[in-house]
Amino acid sequence: DAKTTQPPSMDCAEGRAANLPCNHSTISGNEYVYWYRQIHSQGPQYIIHGLKNNETNEMASLIITEDRKSSTLILPHATLRDTAVYYCIVRGYGGATNKLIFGTGTLLAVQP
Amino acid sequence: DGGITQSPKYLFRKEGQNVTLSCEQNLNHDAMYWYRQDPGQGLRLIYYSQIVNDFQKGDIAEGYSVSREKKESFPLTVTSAQKNPTAFYLCASSPVAGGNEKLFFGSGTQLSVL
Repeated sequence: DAKTTQPPSMDCAEGRAANLPCNHSTISGNEYVYWYRQIHSQGPQYIIHGLKNNETNEMASLIITEDRKSSTLILPHATLRDTAVYYCIVRGYGGATNKLIFGTGTLLAVQP
Repeated sequence: DGGITQSPKYLFRKEGQNVTLSCEQNLNHDAMYWYRQDPGQGLRLIYYSQIVNDFQKGDIAEGYSVSREKKESFPLTVTSAQKNPTAFYLCASSPVAGGNEKLFFGSGTQLSVL
């Protein structure tokens, strides 16, 4: 399973874009990149995922480099409620299971 | 509302005691999962089930047991063999195991040892 590397923490000013980087240099050609976030003492929440192309939904945008070795999650207008731990995950295969391997993530602190 | 319900929110275990954490989903999902989270750490997979009456060990299954008698229910038992059970436990589900579907998580159970 491909591993991911994320900075342990980042700060962002409220109303500004938050850009969270992730390295996944050993990703395989058929592995997706997923992003989840976890607010303290709650279950993780799905944000977005992608394979090769950039993706956008109502929560965020995902930019994947052409070689697929890294990606960036963009929260276009961060609010205080976006303060959370953000996990970048490459979907691993264990038999036939949808097995996601979570690292320690990036703690994003949105400052007023 | 559809979702995953975990109970209780907080649970205390005495030494040598087995405790069971409940996880129920009304999303009609085939696959269900149990994760363990220690402070400042990521999630580690304990057990998963792709279909009723079937389940497999994850990365840290020792000291835990599960059952999947109904599609909507996937209870986790923390046995006395688990020597360090204090952690935050998360249950999740997905429509199909092995597909490109996202996981839906419950709100978690905090287990502590008295």
